[in-house]
Amino acid sequence: KNQVEQSPQSLIILEGKNCTLQCNYTVSPFSNLRWYKQDTGRGPVSLTIMTFSENTKSNGRYTATLDADTKQSSLHITASQLSDSASYICVVIRSGGSYIPTFGRGTSLIVHP
Amino acid sequence: EAGVTQSPTHLIKTRGQQATLRCSPISGHTSVYWYQQALGLGLQFLLWYDEGEERNRGNFPPRFSGRQFPNYSSELNVNALELEDSALYLCASSRDSNSGANVLTFGAGSRLTVL
Repeated sequence: KNQVEQSPQSLIILEGKNCTLQCNYTVSPFSNLRWYKQDTGRGPVSLTIMTFSENTKSNGRYTATLDADTKQSSLHITASQLSDSASYICVVIRSGGSYIPTFGRGTSLIVHP
Repeated sequence: EAGVTQSPTHLIKTRGQQATLRCSPISGHTSVYWYQQALGLGLQFLLWYDEGEERNRGNFPPRFSGRQFPNYSSELNVNALELEDSALYLCASSRDSNSGANVLTFGAGSRLTVL
């Protein structure tokens, strides 16, 4: 069954600290993996897109890694800011035929001052 | 370019009524996806439309239906509303369905409350 599991479910950190969010998937065959940021009550916004051949991709203070062999991805946030408080969603796209994305349930991040 | 627009922003209905939500994709995007996000839960796939046709639907009852118009805008209809239908309904669009590299761009959502 094609699934995307994220951990932790929620995380609370202090402003300025770093954190890492995890995503494990069983979706196959794999096309690409995306991390989205969703502010409360808003639509998700794409942070990074990673294909099979990419191991690391950065977007400002966000760095995503992908290990296609172990089917794991992580999102590392450096020097967290209050505005980083949001839900971070891992989405895996299956290749071949219809490209229906499979969403993880997200990690809720709260950054305290 | 204008993003994905959804309307209404908020909608309050009572049990048994019908709700209609609307979505306008980004210009040039032909695929529209609908997702339900209940409070504290992840996005649940509802429907996918491409080129005016329903390509796939999630594990939802037939009360949830929709359509895509010739201009690629889309409508989600929920009949016989139940309390558990209260959720944020998100619409996303992408350029086409033939490439997994296309980014889904989401609208801000429509918050449906069923009393």
